[in-house]
Amino acid sequence: SQQGEEDPQALSIQEGENATMNCSYKTSINNLQWYRQNSGRGLVHLILIRSNEREKHSGRLRVTLDTSKKSSSLLITASRAADTASYFCATAISGGYQKVTFGTGTKLQVIP
Amino acid sequence: KAGVTQTPRYLIKTRGQQVTLSCSPISGHRSVSWYQQTPGQGLQFLFEYFSETQRNKGNFPGRFSGRQFSNSRSEMNVSTLELGDSALYLCASSLVPPETQYFGPGTRLLVL
Repeated sequence: SQQGEEDPQALSIQEGENATMNCSYKTSINNLQWYRQNSGRGLVHLILIRSNEREKHSGRLRVTLDTSKKSSSLLITASRAADTASYFCATAISGGYQKVTFGTGTKLQVIP
Repeated sequence: KAGVTQTPRYLIKTRGQQVTLSCSPISGHRSVSWYQQTPGQGLQFLFEYFSETQRNKGNFPGRFSGRQFSNSRSEMNVSTLELGDSALYLCASSLVPPETQYFGPGTRLLVL
């Protein structure tokens, strides 16, 4: 079963608008990662936030993490057509292992 | 540094055959993970190797196996292929689990 569930499943916005995606998970985590996938290709890592962090920024990306609610959000500001992709959250549990579980993904379409 | 490479990129097999996929991680990365991605099941964790040892395994039948060599290159094998094995198989490497994973472009397997 999926550890993470993204919401919404699909999102369509106009270029220049902000896009927000949410991720909920079930168990305690070591870190949470967001990835982007363009049209059935490999995943590209966007940002990693650790369980003791609440917010992280990278360029136009802002990620928040609320461990009490077991949820995270990814905000993309001033979206561009090139941001059109599927976005996945992935949770890593503690233990030094690479046991990462991916969510179901959000398909973002940015209309020029 | 060169990224994660996967070979072959595309593969067509028939039911009952077996297949071997190869993954070369980023130089210096000792952790290699494999994922299966299908439209219906999303991204599913197959297994993770670290220093030639399988440390984690997902919920897949024994037909799915893998190994890692001393140079960290990894192979996964699927025996007695079924139609449902048609998928994009992604390999990812990381330096220190469970940190950021770097994904290869994937191998798209079609089973007829």
